Amino acid sequence: DGGITQSPKYLFRKEGQNVTLSCEQNLNHDAMYWYRQDPGQGLRLIYYSQIVNDFQKGDIAEGYSVSREKKESFPLTVTSAQKNPTAFYLCASNWGVGTEAFFGQGTRLTVV
Amino acid sequence: SQQGEEDPQALSIQEGENATMNCSYKTSINNLQWYRQNSGRGLVHLILIRSNEREKHSGRLRVTLDTSKKSSSLLITASRAADTASYFCATDAPDSWGKLQFGAGTQVVVTP
Repeated sequence: DGGITQSPKYLFRKEGQNVTLSCEQNLNHDAMYWYRQDPGQGLRLIYYSQIVNDFQKGDIAEGYSVSREKKESFPLTVTSAQKNPTAFYLCASNWGVGTEAFFGQGTRLTVV
Repeated sequence: SQQGEEDPQALSIQEGENATMNCSYKTSINNLQWYRQNSGRGLVHLILIRSNEREKHSGRLRVTLDTSKKSSSLLITASRAADTASYFCATDAPDSWGKLQFGAGTQVVVTP
């Protein structure tokens, strides 16, 4: 089945630790996105990539990093520089301009 | 920054009733999309309406777009308990390269 897979579903991070969230898609989409969702709020764009080996900062990129070495994969690293990382993280992909986005099931990150 | 703003923030109705929610946005768009999110899950695309379209239907969903007022509405007819979810509008702007800007969402509760 085609789709977009995020892992893990739940992740716990200690203070000062970097963690990496996985996002894989087999839809052959060119573009991939990372969003952050806080309780009762909408989605805010962290990073996006429209082609392999290229990515751009979104609205809230500070404290995050990404890579796009393969078309199907777009991992997000939450670094220790991100002061308030507890949130629900959503990965999405689409064909680019003017097309619908497909979302993964999300990763809930909690700082302990 | 959030482009779309949904109204109302929350809506509680009984099964069989219609649910209407509105979305206002600030800048010009290529298209506007509506998504549904069940609690703790990823977003699911419902409908996409292009800037040159005024109305679109999909099953029990009806979406309107008024570009002169920079607003859109989503109508769910004959609501069911399974329609309980948060609904988000998202805009795709001409210079966005396919990135979507989401509003804060409308939380809909349908009681049997």
